[in-house]
Amino acid sequence: GAVVSQHPSRVICKSGTSVKIECRSLDFQATTMFWYRQFPKKSLMLMATSNEGSKATYEQGVEKDKFLINHASLTLSTLTVTSAHPEDSSFYICSAPFGGPGNTIYFGEGSWLTVV
Amino acid sequence: GQNIDQPTEMTATEGAIVQINCTYQTSGFNGLFWYQQHAGEAPTFLSYNVLDGLEEKGRFSSFLSRSKGYSYLLLKELQMKDSASYLCAVTYSGAGSYQLTFGKGTKLSVIP
Repeated sequence: GAVVSQHPSRVICKSGTSVKIECRSLDFQATTMFWYRQFPKKSLMLMATSNEGSKATYEQGVEKDKFLINHASLTLSTLTVTSAHPEDSSFYICSAPFGGPGNTIYFGEGSWLTVV
Repeated sequence: GQNIDQPTEMTATEGAIVQINCTYQTSGFNGLFWYQQHAGEAPTFLSYNVLDGLEEKGRFSSFLSRSKGYSYLLLKELQMKDSASYLCAVTYSGAGSYQLTFGKGTKLSVIP
């Protein structure tokens, strides 16, 4: 079963509105989570590193005021796309490391966002 | 940035063997992952290499040469369900132990 759960899996929203995507670690605590976006037929691009109890670290070119990240607990990080535009339509995926390095970076199921 | 290069597309026949190569910048290398991603789905973990050599796991094997900045994923006894994108991802020291930099992925098509 999934060890990192994302919700919603698909969402359609109108331009100008905001949408929140949740990423939960199941049965383990994650002080760090990562948010990626992926356009069709393109690679995953890291957007930001979510840190529990502190501000997220954004990659160059990612607008922090547009993509709000809140890591309020050790099992939950949220990504809010504010004032969404059609170009924000994408596949958003979170990941969380479990335990030590190696085969322990788990991905959520991903969230398809369509802005109309 | 850290360029990670892998072929864009490959085609192979069911039952055959295919090797997907990945090259990366060696400075600060801290580990290499291979993921499988079916269209519209999140990646799933295949392998992790941090030391030189071959890691075998069932039909899949992964090889790493740190000095050459080179890895490959070997898929044996190909099945139709192996048609997917295969992503090479590297962690670099200084960027956080779990921060992955992905290649663009190799789309593998398995044909009968």
